Amino acid sequence: DIQMTQSPSSLSASVRDRVTITCRASQTIVNYLNWYQHKPGKAPKLLIYGASSLQSGVPSRFSGSGSGTDFILTISSLQPDDFATYYCQQTYSTPFTFGPGTKVDIK
Amino acid sequence: QLPLQESGPRLVKASETLSLTCTVSGGSISSSSHSWGWIRQPPGKGLEWIGTLSYSGSTFYNPSLKSRVTISVDTSKNQFSLKLNSVTAADTAVYYCARIFGDSYQVDFWGQGTLVTVSS
Repeated sequence: DIQMTQSPSSLSASVRDRVTITCRASQTIVNYLNWYQHKPGKAPKLLIYGASSLQSGVPSRFSGSGSGTDFILTISSLQPDDFATYYCQQTYSTPFTFGPGTKVDIK
Repeated sequence: QLPLQESGPRLVKASETLSLTCTVSGGSISSSSHSWGWIRQPPGKGLEWIGTLSYSGSTFYNPSLKSRVTISVDTSKNQFSLKLNSVTAADTAVYYCARIFGDSYQVDFWGQGTLVTVSS
């Protein structure tokens, strides 16, 4: 199985801060990397697919980059609605695996 | 309107079979544009992919669960189902059904999730 790691595991930030979350795969996954936002009690929400494509309806402050084994999710200006846990997922090979998550909370 | 909705027993006894159904209301489950899947999240833990059912009927299961899991489709009811047998407390989790789309197999729609508890 491809192992996914994320850093940091949690971070505290303020509104309007620039936030970056890193995701690393244990082997190359080309660009088969998706990012999700998850809030307690709600369904996860797709933010980025194919490493850098913005899902329809997702604000442009979210962006993704990277290829191979190293990927980054960037929130350019953190908004109150963005406090949540963020997961990366590789879909290069089955079983599709998720990172352990990065919790973003209010400083 | 959420296009996916899970249903099924919320409490299952250990060693028995967990059965959940996902009703798709946002389009035909037979669409060749989508696959369908199940993902779970144990309390306090991360997300775990259970398996996927493609529009062609092919299934792909997580090897960690493969011997116990079955995903099937009922096109007449626009539903797909999950069966997980011989459950233990480790199978207690929020179970999500999912619509999978595109070259990156991204989950573009998730069900609301349902907590299934395995009791001893």
